[in-house]
Amino acid sequence: DVVMTQSPLSLPVTLGQPASISCRSSQSLAHSDGNTYLHWFQQRPGQSPRRLIYRVSNRESGVPDRFSGSGSGTDFTLKISRVEAEDVGAYYCMQGTHWPWTFGQGTKVEIK
Amino acid sequence: EVQLVESGGGLVQPGGSLRLSCAASGLTLSTYWMTWVRQAPGKGLEWVASIKEDGSAQYYVDSVTGRFTISRDNAKNSLYLQMNSLRAEDTAVYYCARGRGGVWGQGTTVTVSS
Repeated sequence: DVVMTQSPLSLPVTLGQPASISCRSSQSLAHSDGNTYLHWFQQRPGQSPRRLIYRVSNRESGVPDRFSGSGSGTDFTLKISRVEAEDVGAYYCMQGTHWPWTFGQGTKVEIK
Repeated sequence: EVQLVESGGGLVQPGGSLRLSCAASGLTLSTYWMTWVRQAPGKGLEWVASIKEDGSAQYYVDSVTGRFTISRDNAKNSLYLQMNSLRAEDTAVYYCARGRGGVWGQGTTVTVSS
């Protein structure tokens, strides 16, 4: 199985400051169809997850442009340019290239 | 508005069975892979199973293979998860999701305990 490793697992951030979460996979997430199925999810406290970024760098409709995704192969990053109070919660990367699909452990973002 | 609504969760004894349902509105289920994801109390997300648009292929996480069955009824725009031989470690909130997580339901809670 593909192991997804996120870091850090806890991320205290000052409002208005940037934040970055790393996600590394144990094997390349490049699919034979040419896509890389690496996605990022946000889960606010008490809510269902929602997808922020699909296929590495594509923002879902309605997601603020302060969220961005980048990377390739086995190394991916989610960046928040200026953290706002509503960004508090857990963030997960997920690979959908290889069966079984797998999630990272999650990164908890909190305000300092 | 696109919506997925799960139902069927509850308290069940170890070794028992439950059938979860996921009703879709605002989207035509038959055009999408569908997925179940679970989250144990205080833990992260775990992919459980996915099923192809026409139901011709299913994939499972190893820990549920042979015990859980994912299925769909496109005519009813619904997704299902039949869970047999339930264990304490299956206790979780179960979410249905479109494909690789584009849309999620609100989740239904399954508790396996005597």
